[in-house]
Amino acid sequence: NAGVTQTPKFQVLKTGQSMTLQCAQDMNHNSMYWYRQDPGMGLRLIYYSASEGTTDKGEVPNGYNVSRLNKREFSLRLESAAPSQTSVYFCASSQGSSGNTIYFGEGSWLTVV
Amino acid sequence: KQEVTQIPAALSVPEGENLVLNCSFTDSAIYNLQWFRQDPGKGLTSLLLIQSSQREQTSGRLNASLDKSSGRSTLYIAASQPGDSATYLCAVHLGSNYKLTFGKGTLLTVNP
Repeated sequence: NAGVTQTPKFQVLKTGQSMTLQCAQDMNHNSMYWYRQDPGMGLRLIYYSASEGTTDKGEVPNGYNVSRLNKREFSLRLESAAPSQTSVYFCASSQGSSGNTIYFGEGSWLTVV
Repeated sequence: KQEVTQIPAALSVPEGENLVLNCSFTDSAIYNLQWFRQDPGKGLTSLLLIQSSQREQTSGRLNASLDKSSGRSTLYIAASQPGDSATYLCAVHLGSNYKLTFGKGTLLTVNP
């Protein structure tokens, strides 16, 4: 059971470089999310997609863009990476918006130097 | 703004002990509350989901309770084992949007 799969698992970027984090889920879930986790800050929502074809900003969207490519895939793009974006990124999915269990990927460790 | 607090930040217990982890939230108008487990270097695994209309949920040795009026939830772990060592996070959902608000977690260590 793959669940939520994220790639890459580790990445080092130079300031100003761009990259895309990929996420795919095989549970036929409608909703997908991108979180970042930082020491002392906990998990914060970057963007979410309530359903295929829709995306909305979360708590900390600045510096990021997302694409809900289809029902399975939800990518997160850093257009011009900054050291403040050094973090662990988690993709997640759920059947609906609320009242449903949310499933997380294993995380992507991103370092911007 | 919803705030979620987990106390203690870290807890160390001997194997076999029953223990309670605490979670408090400032806005009692929640839709549901979830408890997660996070192992080092891994993602979060959902343990229990309590809807706002429920008082508790049980799964194996885990029991989570919810008291909306006081803004509190507890996660009770019975007969703890070294394999229970992990960070436990609670998160609340207000229901009006898709945003879960997470606590910072309790790092649990169960010593053999």
